[in-house]
Amino acid sequence: EAGVTQSPTHLIKTRGQQATLRCSPISGHTSVYWYQQALGLGLQFLLWYDEGEERNRGNFPPRFSGRQFPNYSSELNVNALELEDSALYLCASSRWTGGNEQFFGPGTRLTVL
Amino acid sequence: AQSVTQLGSHVSVSEGALVLLRCNYSSSVPPYLFWYVQYPNQGLQLLLKYTTGATLVKGINGFEAEFKKSETSFHLTKPSAHMSDAAEYFCAVSETNTGNQFYFGTGTSLTVIP
Repeated sequence: EAGVTQSPTHLIKTRGQQATLRCSPISGHTSVYWYQQALGLGLQFLLWYDEGEERNRGNFPPRFSGRQFPNYSSELNVNALELEDSALYLCASSRWTGGNEQFFGPGTRLTVL
Repeated sequence: AQSVTQLGSHVSVSEGALVLLRCNYSSSVPPYLFWYVQYPNQGLQLLLKYTTGATLVKGINGFEAEFKKSETSFHLTKPSAHMSDAAEYFCAVSETNTGNQFYFGTGTSLTVIP
């Protein structure tokens, strides 16, 4: 069974640009979650999608947005990049019901210069 | 809302010594509880989870954790630390009745001293 995949592995942008990160969940998983892991700040919950709908979002500004496609893959968009957006962005997938572990991808390292 | 507290952002143990990483949670409904490990520049890997049944849960790499409802705790232990255990450890809780939203602790960095 293929795991969660994320692309690109690394992304370098300059301040003010837009970044697009992609995630493909494990087959059969309908929920996709996005987390930001900045240096020294642990895991910060960004967004949760299930069946194409946004189910919840964390305490991030609206310039962080995303969507989930009919095949359950997902895209995270970050507009008007700021230096503090530099972080490892992790995607996870799971089945909808509670008690199921989230499976994590390897992450996308975003660097904003 | 759920919350997770991991006491000690940094823990150091000698190789061969007991590993104890603490996790406490708050929950108004029966929780599901998880421990994950993260090696540098990688994603998170599940160590173990508690859903129902036996409160002592065994995971991979010799780790185990015990769910104590009265103490709202889910501490992670390993009898004998190995150099390869050096990593970041995250405790997480999810609710039983609203999908699979996870709430993560802030993480504990484990250092193993040779």
